[in-house]
Amino acid sequence: EDKVVQSPLSLVVHEGDTVTLNCSYEVTNFRSLLWYKQEKKAPTFLFMLTSSGIEKKSGRLSSILDKKELFSILNITATQTGDSAIYLCAVEAAGNKLTFGGGTRVLVKP
Amino acid sequence: EPEVTQTPSHQVTQMGQEVILRCVPISNHLYFYWYRQILGQKVEFLVSFYNNEISEKSEIFDDQFSVERPDGSNFTLKIRSTKLEDSAMYFCASRIRGMNTEAFFGQGTRLTVV
Repeated sequence: EDKVVQSPLSLVVHEGDTVTLNCSYEVTNFRSLLWYKQEKKAPTFLFMLTSSGIEKKSGRLSSILDKKELFSILNITATQTGDSAIYLCAVEAAGNKLTFGGGTRVLVKP
Repeated sequence: EPEVTQTPSHQVTQMGQEVILRCVPISNHLYFYWYRQILGQKVEFLVSFYNNEISEKSEIFDDQFSVERPDGSNFTLKIRSTKLEDSAMYFCASRIRGMNTEAFFGQGTRLTVV
């Protein structure tokens, strides 16, 4: 059974801090890893990673994948209160469904 | 920007009733999905749909559930006889291709079974 585990479960930081979120996985026939941000309802797409060692960047967010050690990290620098959300990691393996981790709840305090 | 739209945003139904959740995927997408998220739990895969048929379904997707693409735009999830444990947020998603492309999610339908 495919497994995706995220850590930490939650964290509280202050504006300007940097956060690092972790996602580890055990799946058969890995195809891609995706990061989503979930604020109120719908997960909104952040990144898709398919190759090891290539950093994807969008503004203050960046992510990297390690296919040897089976994990990915999502970094948020200079956090703002608008970054408060649940961050979801999902892995696509055999078939084309996504298996989600439990998410990391991030609270950024002013 | 194109988006996946879902209706209704919230539905309350009595146990045993049938419900139909509706989704309009992004127009040039070919793969469609339903996921659900019980309050406080993980997002779980229910079913994927391609070329007018189910391509994969989870153990959750039993005989009570069915999906349909009745016309060129809508994608529906029907729950025949709702149970209390069907209460959840149901998300529709679509992808332009099946693999290695981002899945775009709708805003969800919160289903409450009473």
